[in-house]
Amino acid sequence: GQNIDQPTEMTATEGAIVQINCTYQTSGFNGLFWYQQHAGEAPTFLSYNVLDGLEEKGRFSSFLSRSKGYSYLLLKELQMKDSASYLCAVRDSNYQLIWGAGTKLIIKP
Amino acid sequence: GAVVSQHPSWVICKSGTSVKIECRSLDFQATTMFWYRQFPKQSLMLMATSNEGSKATYEQGVEKDKFLINHASLTLSTLTVTSAHPEDSSFYICSARDIEREGDFLPEQYFGPGTRLTVT
Repeated sequence: GQNIDQPTEMTATEGAIVQINCTYQTSGFNGLFWYQQHAGEAPTFLSYNVLDGLEEKGRFSSFLSRSKGYSYLLLKELQMKDSASYLCAVRDSNYQLIWGAGTKLIIKP
Repeated sequence: GAVVSQHPSWVICKSGTSVKIECRSLDFQATTMFWYRQFPKQSLMLMATSNEGSKATYEQGVEKDKFLINHASLTLSTLTVTSAHPEDSSFYICSARDIEREGDFLPEQYFGPGTRLTVT
């Protein structure tokens, strides 16, 4: 079956750095997405990786290792507004998005 | 650009009634729209893929007669929850693929703001 694993919840301090991991087992791979979702709102796109390596976008970076079925989202200089759920999603061989359950990130002052 | 709207943003209905949710791509054309459902503290669950001018493709376990999907134009898809029950209470989210970006290296899905349905 297809499976995406990410931690349920993480806590970090304002101004610090946090890494959210995602491991996946899917039928084929056509890219990995990270989305941010605030409570009661729809997801917003953060990043996309299809090749191995690190993609940097301001305070957010995303890393992919296809051989390990592994990705992480790195958030630097955390701000209170970064408190949200972070969803990892993999596009499979049928170009369907398979979603992880999301990681709830709690930022403390 | 790439804005998707949903209407209504929230709705409360009585058990046994039907509710229609609209999903519109405001500034682009979408041949494909997706309908998701999300229960509290759970992940997005794809319900169906809606293709303009053809029947929707439903995911396993989703009742096509209960969740009616119509994608009559390149900018509008509707989801009708028929004979709603309290267990249908959920957050319904649509997303759309931009036809101009089909085949792009990054065909991103654009999400609507979601519709909170409460069935009493």
